[in-house]
Amino acid sequence: EAQVTQNPRYLITVTGKKLTVTCSQNMNHEYMSWYRQDPGLGLRQIYYSMNVEVTDKGDVPEGYKVSRKEKRNFPLILESPSPNQTSLYFCASSFVWEGLRNEQFFGPGTRLTVL
Amino acid sequence: GENVEQHPSTLSVQEGDSAVIKCTYSDSASNYFPWYKQELGKRPQLIIDIRSNVGEKKDQRIAVTLNKTAKHFSLHITETQPEDSAVYFCAATSNAGGTSYGKLTFGQGTILTVHP
Repeated sequence: EAQVTQNPRYLITVTGKKLTVTCSQNMNHEYMSWYRQDPGLGLRQIYYSMNVEVTDKGDVPEGYKVSRKEKRNFPLILESPSPNQTSLYFCASSFVWEGLRNEQFFGPGTRLTVL
Repeated sequence: GENVEQHPSTLSVQEGDSAVIKCTYSDSASNYFPWYKQELGKRPQLIIDIRSNVGEKKDQRIAVTLNKTAKHFSLHITETQPEDSAVYFCAATSNAGGTSYGKLTFGQGTILTVHP
């Protein structure tokens, strides 16, 4: 089954404790991206990757890191989480066909609470 | 960078009525405009998209229109049904090269409620 998976789905942690949220897709998509969703603010892009070893900042990258060592995986790293990073996080992926972006497929989401 | 404004934030209609959600964008280089639907507790899913080389696109009860001169695009849902109740997000991105390539900016979302 074609899908985007994220782990964990729910996480409660404390300020300053490093954490990683994993994202994996089995559709051979070139493009992957991370978003956070907060009430009234919609979805805001954190980081994206056009292909392996190619990553770039979205609109809200502060406090986050990513890596793209393999095509299928795009982990999101919070090295020192703070309460303002409490949010619902989505990973997404899509094909890049002839340079054009296409439909993004979203993962199920990770609800993170930082105390 | 790109800025996308979406209105209204909430929309309540009776079953069978039409619903219209409007978005404006700021970056004239944007040329791909997807719409996503997110049901309660679920992930966003694409419902329709439009590229800047067309002015309108339809898919059954859903249509999107684009006015590049005015930099706004709209989602139209006809003959609404209770299962259309969800949060709808517009988005804009540039498929051209340059520094904005790869970025996708979403609107703030519209909560649509369709009353039976």
